[in-house]
Amino acid sequence: AQSVTQPDARVTVSEGASLQLRCKYSYFGTPYLFWYVQYPRQGLQLLLKYYPGDPVVQGVNGFEAEFSKSNSSFHLRKASVHWSDWAVYFCAVPPGTQVVGQLTFGRGTRLQVYA
Amino acid sequence: EAAVTQSPRSKVAVTGGKVTLSCHQTNNHDYMYWYRQDTGHGLRLIHYSYVADSTEKGDIPDGYKASRPSQENFSLILELASLSQTAVYFCASSPDSDEQYFGPGTRLTVL
Repeated sequence: AQSVTQPDARVTVSEGASLQLRCKYSYFGTPYLFWYVQYPRQGLQLLLKYYPGDPVVQGVNGFEAEFSKSNSSFHLRKASVHWSDWAVYFCAVPPGTQVVGQLTFGRGTRLQVYA
Repeated sequence: EAAVTQSPRSKVAVTGGKVTLSCHQTNNHDYMYWYRQDTGHGLRLIHYSYVADSTEKGDIPDGYKASRPSQENFSLILELASLSQTAVYFCASSPDSDEQYFGPGTRLTVL
């Protein structure tokens, strides 16, 4: 079955530091991939999405992600973290079935930013 | 303006009682979903629908029913609420492109 694994439940960084949140996927073929962000007490919002093509995808608020087929990874990066980035980040992949739009989410990585 | 809204935003229910969570979207999307989120976990799909008057089971449908009376509205029904159904519930809609648009969530506490 298609799946994503986010190995880090929590990541803590200082404001201004660089960031990488890890996502590993299991998928037959080349998948679409998504990163969503959930700010405190809010629903999920799309951060960026990857469709087969350029492996580096730009998202909102300075985030980017790099797809690697050889490593089965889709890590999220940001050059300089801001305190407002404090949130939970989810990686997601379609299930590879005939159902369009159905996503499988990872467990999420909670990002904490300190001054 | 919010394109996916949920009501209520918060609810306390008693064990064995009936609970209905409502979702309304103005995105004109065919697909709608109900997820639950538990502390420290990702989202798990309960039910989904790709057309009005039709619903499908997701990964964890037991104890839940769904209703899609129109393209815009999608309800989640707990006929006999249980303690284990305490969670945050999210509704989402999507077009054909896999990208999903989420509502703000409903925090349900079953006592």
